[in-house]
Amino acid sequence: AQTVTQSQPEMSVQEAETVTLSCTYDTSESDYYLFWYKQPPSRQMILVIRQEAYKQQNATENRFSVNFQKAAKSFSLKISDSQLGDAAMYFCAYNRDDKIIFGKGTRLHILP
Amino acid sequence: GAVVSQHPSRVICKSGTSVKIECRSLDFQATTMFWYRQFPKKSLMLMATSNEGSKATYEQGVEKDKFLINHASLTLSTLTVTSAHPEDSSFYICSASDSSGSSYEQYFGPGTRLTVT
Repeated sequence: AQTVTQSQPEMSVQEAETVTLSCTYDTSESDYYLFWYKQPPSRQMILVIRQEAYKQQNATENRFSVNFQKAAKSFSLKISDSQLGDAAMYFCAYNRDDKIIFGKGTRLHILP
Repeated sequence: GAVVSQHPSRVICKSGTSVKIECRSLDFQATTMFWYRQFPKKSLMLMATSNEGSKATYEQGVEKDKFLINHASLTLSTLTVTSAHPEDSSFYICSASDSSGSSYEQYFGPGTRLTVT
């Protein structure tokens, strides 16, 4: 069975600083997708970044980038130049065959 | 693009009654829709997967007679909580998969907060 583990229930970062959220997953598949979703207080799930497992290059979206280590089954999210609007729950997720498995989430606090 | 709506956003019902939640894909056709349940400060738990025109596939531990799912068209899925009880109070989120996409991305609705009194 696929599982997704986020070992940091909460994290804090100073505004404008960089923070990295950890995620590991377990799968026996070779082709799959990984995502980071953001859930702000509104509770709307927002896709932050997507990584295709067969691509070695780490995905990047503006201030958000990932460190994808396929052999280690690790998929961390780096947020650069943190902004107050980045405060939210962040969920790491694995998707294959249309079924998403979510981690338990990391609550990110931005300190002004 | 890829907008998913849910209605209602909040609903309060009395114990023993049934409540229906709608999930619509507004600007794309969704062959597959998903229903999640989220408890306070917890992750999303997949309840069921529904494909247009066929019966929903429920996750282990989810009562299919309790949570009725209908996916009658490519843009609409409904979740009916039957004979609701206070323990059914939760945040319900739907998502939809774009049939033309290949990234297995799901687009999420804004969620429905159900309170059973």
